[in-house]
Amino acid sequence: DGGITQSPKYLFRKEGQNVTLSCEQNLNHDAMYWYRQDPGQGLRLIYYSQIVNDFQKGDIAEGYSVSREKKESFPLTVTSAQKNPTAFYLCASSPFDVSNQPQHFGDGTRLSIL
Amino acid sequence: AQKVTQAQTEISVVEKEDVTLDCVYETRDTTYYLFWYKQPPSGELVFLIRRNSFDEQNEISGRYSWNFQKSTSSFNFTITASQVVDSAVYFCALSEVYGGATNKLIFGTGTLLAVQP
Repeated sequence: DGGITQSPKYLFRKEGQNVTLSCEQNLNHDAMYWYRQDPGQGLRLIYYSQIVNDFQKGDIAEGYSVSREKKESFPLTVTSAQKNPTAFYLCASSPFDVSNQPQHFGDGTRLSIL
Repeated sequence: AQKVTQAQTEISVVEKEDVTLDCVYETRDTTYYLFWYKQPPSGELVFLIRRNSFDEQNEISGRYSWNFQKSTSSFNFTITASQVVDSAVYFCALSEVYGGATNKLIFGTGTLLAVQP
C-alpha cells in the first residue's frame, strides 16, 4: 500500500539531546512537509521541501533541522535549541504542481521531554 | 495576511443530528484552494475535500456537504445524520498559489466534534 510512514510513534528526549524523527513515503511525491501540532492548536509548518536536495523554512523552523537526500525520505531533527519540543509531529507529502493536490499525512510522532 | 478561523472549538451532538462546522478565511490572492481534513483519535489527518477559488458550486458526498461562499469568505462543512464514527477534530485549511506552484497549507485551529450515542 502506498503511504507515509513515520517512526517512532513515541519519542522521549533528554535535556541537551538532539533527536531525529523519520518520515518515509512511497507515493512518488516530490514535495514533503513537517508540521507541529500543539493541544488545541492547528498545524504549524516547520520545514518543507519541493525537490530533492532543497528545502525551505516554514513558520516555526527555529530549533529544527531537516535534510532531503532522497525523494522518499525527509527526516526532521529536533535540536537542543528547541526549548519546548513537546508536541505531536506530522509529516506530509504531495505532488508538486499548480493544482495544489491534497497533502497526504503520516500517523505522527509524539515527542515528550524526560 | 492569510488566515483561517474556526470559531467553534468544540461541538457536541447526539447521533443522527445534523451539524455544521464553520470556516472563515482571509486571503488577498484571487487564486487559492480550500481543504477540509479529519483527524480521528489515532492522529493521522484524512483528506476530505479540496475546492478551488473559482468553483463556488456546493458539493455533496454521502452525508457530507460543503458550502463555499466567496462573498462571505466561508467554506462551511455539514454532516447530516451524524454518527459516532464522525467524532474527530476537523481542520479547515487554505493553500495559496503564488510565484508558481506551492502547496503550503495554512490551518485553522480545528473543531472537536463529539457525537454521543
